[in-house]
Amino acid sequence: NAGVMQNPRHLVRRRGQEARLRCSPMKGHSHVYWYRQLPEEGLKFMVYLQKENIIDESGMPKERFSAEFPKEGPSILRIQQVVRGDSAAYFCASSPPANTEAFFGQGTRLTVV
Amino acid sequence: KQEVTQIPAALSVPEGENLVLNCSFTDSAIYNLQWFRQDPGKGLTSLLLIQSSQREQTSGRLNASLDKSSGRSTLYIAASQPGDSATYLCAALEQGGSEKLVFGKGTKLTVNP
Repeated sequence: NAGVMQNPRHLVRRRGQEARLRCSPMKGHSHVYWYRQLPEEGLKFMVYLQKENIIDESGMPKERFSAEFPKEGPSILRIQQVVRGDSAAYFCASSPPANTEAFFGQGTRLTVV
Repeated sequence: KQEVTQIPAALSVPEGENLVLNCSFTDSAIYNLQWFRQDPGKGLTSLLLIQSSQREQTSGRLNASLDKSSGRSTLYIAASQPGDSATYLCAALEQGGSEKLVFGKGTKLTVNP
């Protein structure tokens, strides 16, 4: 059973470009969460999704950020018009429906230049 | 609003020493508390999960306790080894609809050979 898979592991974008981060949950897991870790900061919740539904996006910045978890395929975190302050490690986690233990991926490290 | 604090922020010990990492949370309405390990530039590895109805969990040289009434959890590491060097994070899973983890900033542990 493969773990939570995130790609790419490292992503470099110029200011103003779009960043797309992908997350494939563990097999059998239908809950996906995105967290962001800024330098010298703790991990902060961004969004919680189930298949085709956003359950809680209270941690998402109001502009430029969006997330989806389609019926088929991975969950996508999209950041439009990136700025230097978006540079961070973005982690995806998944959990099965009846269990609240979260398993994390290796993260995507976004650098905006 | 749930806040999670970890003390100390950093800890350096000689190999073989037993040690305790502390975690406190402000709101006792949690589903569980989870301890993670994070190596530099890597993802999070789940170490132990304590359900809100439990008092402790053990895995090998690790023992985690939970006291909901006082808002505290501890991670005990026995006979520490250089390979235990990493940042240890605790996270509380909030009740109330959204299954989001609230993280502390971590304790950076260095075990010296």
